[in-house]
Amino acid sequence: EIVMTQSPATLSVSPGERATLSCRASQSVGTNLAWYQQKPGQAPRLLIYGASTRGTGIPARFSGSGSGTEFTLTISSLQSEDFAVYYCQQYNNWLLITFGPGTKLDIK
Amino acid sequence: EVQLVESGGGLVQPGGSLRLSCAVSGFTFDNYWMSWVRQAPGKGLEWVANIKQDGSEKYFVDSVKGRFTISRDNAKNSLYLQMNNLRAEDTAVYYCARVRGGYCSGDSCHHPFDYWGQGTLVTVSS
Repeated sequence: EIVMTQSPATLSVSPGERATLSCRASQSVGTNLAWYQQKPGQAPRLLIYGASTRGTGIPARFSGSGSGTEFTLTISSLQSEDFAVYYCQQYNNWLLITFGPGTKLDIK
Repeated sequence: EVQLVESGGGLVQPGGSLRLSCAVSGFTFDNYWMSWVRQAPGKGLEWVANIKQDGSEKYFVDSVKGRFTISRDNAKNSLYLQMNNLRAEDTAVYYCARVRGGYCSGDSCHHPFDYWGQGTLVTVSS
């Protein structure tokens, strides 16, 4: 099983500032890594796939980078609607897909 | 517009069974792998199962193997999750999700989940 870890667990940032979220895989997943955003009471939404490709309709302030075992999601200038929980997911091992535990992005 | 609508959740006793359904619209259902993902109350996301376009390949997380079955009816644009011998730890919101991308098999598949339903709550309790 590929274990995904995310840091920090909670990140407090002011609107307009940059947020940087990290995700680490226990073994290489290449670029088969996605980021999802989830707001309370809502389903997850695909933000980034292939480690760096934005999903349909995702604003340019969201960007992803990394490969292998280390990945980063950057939100360049936080808007009020960006405060949510963010999950990374590896889909390199199709027979056992795993998610990270999530990072909660809070308003500072 | 792509839509996925889950149904069938509810309260069930430990050891009981439940069948979840996911009705889809807005895309050609039999062109896509489909998945079930669950989320226990206040917890993170856990992938549960995948099924190939024609139902010929199915994969499950270890904790549900032998208890859950995934299936689909392409004529009805519907995905199903049959859950047997339910346990308290199966309590969660269950989401169906579309797998982005086309045809692939086994270890050659590498696709994220691009559309999700709103989920249906399953509570296992006596």
